[in-house]
Amino acid sequence: NAGVTQTPKFRILKIGQSMTLQCTQDMNHNYMYWYRQDPGMGLKLIYYSVGAGITDKGEVPNGYNVSRSTTEDFPLRLELAAPSQTSVYFCASSDTDWNTEAFFGQGTRLTVV
Amino acid sequence: ELKVEQNPLFLSMQEGKNYTIYCNYSTTSDRLYWYRQDPGKSLESLFVLLSNGAVKQEGRLMASLDTKARLSTLHITAAVHDLSATYFCAVDMRLVFGAGTILRVKS
Repeated sequence: NAGVTQTPKFRILKIGQSMTLQCTQDMNHNYMYWYRQDPGMGLKLIYYSVGAGITDKGEVPNGYNVSRSTTEDFPLRLELAAPSQTSVYFCASSDTDWNTEAFFGQGTRLTVV
Repeated sequence: ELKVEQNPLFLSMQEGKNYTIYCNYSTTSDRLYWYRQDPGKSLESLFVLLSNGAVKQEGRLMASLDTKARLSTLHITAAVHDLSATYFCAVDMRLVFGAGTILRVKS
């Protein structure tokens, strides 16, 4: 019963490098989300998806891209890493069933130097 | 644009005392969530509130929702040290989060 799995858990990037944060869920959830959490702050929505092939921008999408080719996977792409993207990134998923909560992954701690 | 405001942002409580955290949101929404986060950890779901007047309780925590006032409350009864954490509310299917309330319970 894996739930939401994020990889990697930690990563250090150099300015200008690119990387993909992976997120996989095994609960057949339609909704998936990416957030960033800066130290001592709340969660800011980057992108979300309501199903395979459908994505939409959240509050802070600049500098990021997403795709949703399958129900299970929702990768987040950073093309040109900047120090301002140093943060903890959380992926979450939820069902269309109204009475269920969203489940969060364990997070990816990213440092851009 | 949906805005979610929590207050207070920081709460220091004595053990055994009661207190309430407030969550206001700016536009009509059909669902509201409460989450707990311990330092360095991910988010743990506490409550899902789906209708006006909904009330849910788990242990020393009770959450309620007033959709007409666009307000949810998280009430803490007889606080204990183990409740020390950051509490977030989130609104709508897009899960737009408030800034969080850092709760510290002192003995």
